[in-house]
Amino acid sequence: NAGVTQTPKFRVLKTGQSMTLLCAQDMNHEYMYWYRQDPGMGLRLIHYSVGEGTTAKGEVPDGYNVSRLKKQNFLLGLESAAPSQTSVYFCASRPGRRPTNEKLFFGSGTQLSVL
Amino acid sequence: TQLLEQSPQFLSIQEGENLTVYCNSSSVFSSLQWYRQEPGEGPVLLVTVVTGGEVKKLKRLTFQFGDARKDSSLHITAAQPGDTGLYLCAADSGYSTLTFGKGTMLLVSP
Repeated sequence: NAGVTQTPKFRVLKTGQSMTLLCAQDMNHEYMYWYRQDPGMGLRLIHYSVGEGTTAKGEVPDGYNVSRLKKQNFLLGLESAAPSQTSVYFCASRPGRRPTNEKLFFGSGTQLSVL
Repeated sequence: TQLLEQSPQFLSIQEGENLTVYCNSSSVFSSLQWYRQEPGEGPVLLVTVVTGGEVKKLKRLTFQFGDARKDSSLHITAAQPGDTGLYLCAADSGYSTLTFGKGTMLLVSP
């Protein structure tokens, strides 16, 4: 059981370039999330999904898009990267059978630098 | 969105000392979770508290949920270097998402 797997682990982009971060989970979870973590800012929710084919905006969605075409995968896209998007990105999932009290399972993160 | 305030932001102590970190809000939580994050890794759940006044123990860690369910604390007894990490509290909105505090960075020196 791999849990939550994020690829790539590191990436450097130039301003204006695009890229996609992939999150895959093998636990048959319904709910998936993308967070960004910046020094002193904690974890901030970018987008989330409560099931295949559904997505919703979180606290800081601007500049990002997401897709959940398959239940096990949640993709985060940056169409035109900006230096302000330099951050560590975490994907997480949880079963979704009981929306409250369930713990989040996190991936190990993607370090993204935009120059 | 519930705003969670964690304090202190940073704590540096010697091995064997005791410490307490806090998580506060002006809102009532339906439940609250504590996570620990080590460098280069994602957060890992330590405990979930649900009932006001609830106390849970995990070895040398004691978690308390306030009676009014607006605050929580984490107490570590006889801290060890292995306790070093970022401690995050997170509140369940009841609407599919969790809101995280900014965290307390704990450094325990031998």
